[in-house]
Amino acid sequence: DTGVSQNPRHKITKRGQNVTFRCDPISEHNRLYWYRQTLGQGPEFLTYFQNEAQLEKSRLLSDRFSAERPKGSFSTLEIQRTEQGDSAMYLCASSLVLEGYTFGSGTRLTVV
Amino acid sequence: QKEVEQNSGPLSVPEGAIASLNCTYSDRGSQSFFWYRQYSGKSPELIMFIYSNGDKEDGRFTAQLNKASQYVSLLIRDSQPSDSATYLCAVRGSGGSNYKLTFGKGTLLTVNP
Repeated sequence: DTGVSQNPRHKITKRGQNVTFRCDPISEHNRLYWYRQTLGQGPEFLTYFQNEAQLEKSRLLSDRFSAERPKGSFSTLEIQRTEQGDSAMYLCASSLVLEGYTFGSGTRLTVV
Repeated sequence: QKEVEQNSGPLSVPEGAIASLNCTYSDRGSQSFFWYRQYSGKSPELIMFIYSNGDKEDGRFTAQLNKASQYVSLLIRDSQPSDSATYLCAVRGSGGSNYKLTFGKGTLLTVNP
């Protein structure tokens, strides 16, 4: 499969727990993005990697959020001490240069 | 704050009709514009992009861009029930933010058989 892969597809967690999501981009894509989408809204930008460098982190991301992309391959997004407001679909996308993104299937997070 | 606005919908059209989806944007420096389709519970799927003023056609889809009016539209001809989805307009940032897409809230389209 040559698409963007995200795991897990669904995650239910209790408030206060830590969660980590993984994204495997299309292999030749050097750019990787994380977006968050809540019901009735469009995706909102969270962070951007070019190769292994994190070049921007949105103000939407509090200190509880951290993202990494070691060796410019897969990426992880960790949320510490989850809150109910973190419940959303977390979307990973990748691209080559500045063409349109290819999104993964997303990870739906529910914080109870 | 760069914004992208879409007509909120929902938009309902009969099968075989033309569906017209509209989008305006605030960043005059934007050069690239995208339309994504999102089925319920799924992730967005790129269906069209446009960079130049005028029309761009791809099968039943036509994207229209007017940079002077900061307006982008998507026309779907011969609408099919399978076109029922939320359509997201996205605008690429300008200057140092040219890697970032800003999305509208989307327009829900329903095509009735």
